[in-house]
Amino acid sequence: GAVVSQHPSRVICKSGTSVKIECRSLDFQATTMFWYRQFPKKSLMLMATSNEGSKATYEQGVEKDKFLINHASLTLSTLTVTSAHPEDSSFYICSATEGGTGEKLFFGSGTQLSVL
Amino acid sequence: GDSVTQMEGPVTLSEEAFLTINCTYTATGYPSLFWYVQYPGEGLQLLLKATKADDKGSNKGFEATYRKETTSFHLEKGSVQVSDSAVYFCALVWGGNQFYFGTGTSLTVIP
Repeated sequence: GAVVSQHPSRVICKSGTSVKIECRSLDFQATTMFWYRQFPKKSLMLMATSNEGSKATYEQGVEKDKFLINHASLTLSTLTVTSAHPEDSSFYICSATEGGTGEKLFFGSGTQLSVL
Repeated sequence: GDSVTQMEGPVTLSEEAFLTINCTYTATGYPSLFWYVQYPGEGLQLLLKATKADDKGSNKGFEATYRKETTSFHLEKGSVQVSDSAVYFCALVWGGNQFYFGTGTSLTVIP
């Protein structure tokens, strides 16, 4: 089946630094990619939707200047957490689709971010 | 708004035990419902789905029936195996690709 590769799986950084997370579709062209965040014991929450070559659409309450999303090609999207703070510590996961609904949506393995 | 409420874990069962993970939803329309599974170190994978009321999704011995009257989509398996140890997410999608997920339920099956 289709594979989405997400790196890194775990990152620890100092407060004030920036962290980049990559999401790649390995065997299909991802027209749309999604970024989610999950706090402990909370639901996976959609942060933003990005389409290749256009600006990402952010969900209400998500700061676009803090969470920079770049979807420069049909196989790569990146999420950069800028000037990270401890409250940004969370599990981030991406998903990608080549179209359709549900069964054509594939997820990365997630990134656990810890900000000290 | 749309949301999914999922049974909290963790759940620990002995091999061959019966599994139920409850999931209820709130939606303004008629969503499609999904169960995703995340094995350790891997991404979420679609386990099964149902797109309309009374549909039953099934895969790998797991089943879930879309119950409109109770707005539920409970996941069941008659006899769990150690290899079923994973985190299970209930989700709905309506109107496109925007998913609403539950909190996930961690299942550990012991021999």
